Amino acid sequence: DAKTTQPTSMDCAEGRAANLPCNHSTISGNEYVYWYRQIHSQGPQYIIHGLKNNETNEMASLIITEDRKSSTLILPHATLRDTAVYYCIVSGNYGQNFVFGPGTRLSVLP
Amino acid sequence: SQTIHQWPATLVQPVGSPLSLECTVEGTSNPNLYWYRQAAGRGLQLLFYSVGIGQISSEVPQNLSASRPQDRQFILSSKKLLLSDSGFYLCAWETGGRSPLHFGNGTRLTVT
Repeated sequence: DAKTTQPTSMDCAEGRAANLPCNHSTISGNEYVYWYRQIHSQGPQYIIHGLKNNETNEMASLIITEDRKSSTLILPHATLRDTAVYYCIVSGNYGQNFVFGPGTRLSVLP
Repeated sequence: SQTIHQWPATLVQPVGSPLSLECTVEGTSNPNLYWYRQAAGRGLQLLFYSVGIGQISSEVPQNLSASRPQDRQFILSSKKLLLSDSGFYLCAWETGGRSPLHFGNGTRLTVT
């Protein structure tokens, strides 16, 4: 499965949009992009996933470039409760291929 | 709605003692079940996953074992704990296809 590269950490002002990038230049045609987040001392929480079209749900938007080599998770109006580690995962299926990397630590600042 | 239960939330065990962590899922049938471990400040490491009763795949050779005695029950065990077994243990489930992977709240294990 394709590997992902994310910045180690990011800051965002409360109320502003948080844009979290992810590079996955070796993604293959059947692999989806998944985003999860983990708030301290809790289990990871599913946010959103997509194949090639942009996706939006009540939590976030996922923008995938046309060549699918990178994507951006957008939290439109970040709150203090969005402070967490955000994981970008690229996989064609679950099981042993669903690998969590170190993620991006997002700090939302008042 | 579907829910996942993990217990206990925290556990302190001496080296050499046995371990049994239990995970149950409610509100769904035939889920795929997972055990992950997260060391302090690290990412998640997949330990075991199961696609059905009695079917266990091990990803990392170690001091731990897993069992699935019932469709919605997944158990993580050890006969003798090591210091290196300390960590945050997470159970997760999904129902195949592109359904999201749902995690429990985890068990924080400290081996002393």
